[in-house]
Amino acid sequence: DGGITQSPKYLFRKEGQNVTLSCEQNLNHDAMYWYRQDPGQGLRLIYYSQIVNDFQKGDIAEGYSVSREKKESFPLTVTSAQKNPTAFYLCASSIGDASNQPQHFGDGTRLSIL
Amino acid sequence: GDSVTQMEGPVTLSEEAFLTINCTYTATGYPSLFWYVQYPGEGLQLLLKATKADDKGSNKGFEATYRKETTSFHLEKGSVQVSDSAVYFCALGQSGGYQKVTFGTGTKLQVIP
Repeated sequence: DGGITQSPKYLFRKEGQNVTLSCEQNLNHDAMYWYRQDPGQGLRLIYYSQIVNDFQKGDIAEGYSVSREKKESFPLTVTSAQKNPTAFYLCASSIGDASNQPQHFGDGTRLSIL
Repeated sequence: GDSVTQMEGPVTLSEEAFLTINCTYTATGYPSLFWYVQYPGEGLQLLLKATKADDKGSNKGFEATYRKETTSFHLEKGSVQVSDSAVYFCALGQSGGYQKVTFGTGTKLQVIP
């Protein structure tokens, strides 16, 4: 079955450490997204990518970085510059413009600070 | 800017009760509207969508009608089940940009037997 795979499910970060969250999709979708979800809040867009080798900042990109070297993969790095990284991170993809096409989501990665 | 307002939860209902979760939006133009559902420990899944005024989206017994005159997209189900317990997100998609999807804060539904 096609879908989005995020790993790991749980991740712990030490002070001053960069960590990378994996996102892989086999849906052949062009567009991919990273969202952050905090308790009681909606999803906030971190980065998105419309095609390979191109990505754009979302609303809360500071302290995060991404790459899109392959269509299937869109890893997110949470850098030490992100001072409040504890959250649930969701990766999504869409066949086209997500403003009128449904997004498909992975099961998320929960990041905590040690 | 665009915004989506949902009723605060949690909403607690007995099995077979009628469900309404309110959603109103603020946007220019003619956005698309979505309802997503999130089960515990999982990502979001599309529940239904509507792309123009007066459209009705429906899926798995859930329905929502795009009301431009009241800028609303309320989610309804005639008879809820315990398995419907989840968090429901209303979302708005503004045409013209891959990044232009605005989510509400989510409404948690608890259905008790």
